[in-house]
Amino acid sequence: RKEVEQDPGPFNVPEGATVAFNCTYSNSASQSFFWYRQDCRKEPKLLMSVYSSGNEDGRFTAQLNRASQYISLLIRDSKLSDSATYLCVVNKDNAGNMLTFGGGTRLMVKP
Amino acid sequence: GAVVSQHPSWVICKSGTSVKIECRSLDFQATTMFWYRQFPKQSLMLMATSNEGSKATYEQGVEKDKFLINHASLTLSTLTVTSAHPEDSSFYICSATGAGAGSQTQYFGPGTRLLVL
Repeated sequence: RKEVEQDPGPFNVPEGATVAFNCTYSNSASQSFFWYRQDCRKEPKLLMSVYSSGNEDGRFTAQLNRASQYISLLIRDSKLSDSATYLCVVNKDNAGNMLTFGGGTRLMVKP
Repeated sequence: GAVVSQHPSWVICKSGTSVKIECRSLDFQATTMFWYRQFPKQSLMLMATSNEGSKATYEQGVEKDKFLINHASLTLSTLTVTSAHPEDSSFYICSATGAGAGSQTQYFGPGTRLLVL
């Protein structure tokens, strides 16, 4: 079983739609959780951290369920520019080391 | 914000040659640098972790004699792919963390695409 699992997609949605991605992780000792965005042929960029209480940043909402070892990302009012691959990332400690990346979920927003 | 650069951005080489990739932190001191590899349509896989002035720690399955890592200063780490072969063709990405506030965040370089013919 992979340490961090994601549905690879692609998710094809129209502009303005709401889309949700899920991610599960296997290591219950994981400490920190993130969503990264990776555009084609580019490096990953931090989208947002995920906190136990859930957190929102504009159109993006992230939630964490430690009991189920499950992380989600909700994107509201999708824009064409949201088209990218979204990577679920888990950190085993709080020292910035040992990031484990999921395989990514590809999103394509269409006009 | 913290900026990490990589050089070169593209490399095409013949099988058997060695390729050196540089990773630099431009506006902060990188106490730890990480090297990842990403094959097409796959996830980033951590290859090794290096701390300035000490030997790199390699992940299981990564040959340390093939992928030489040097982290000689707080702003520069190099990855040398020795005797590269076509199966080494991949997207190599470095990241860095610094000391102090925000030290948990990894800042990624733009990546280096290696094609071995």
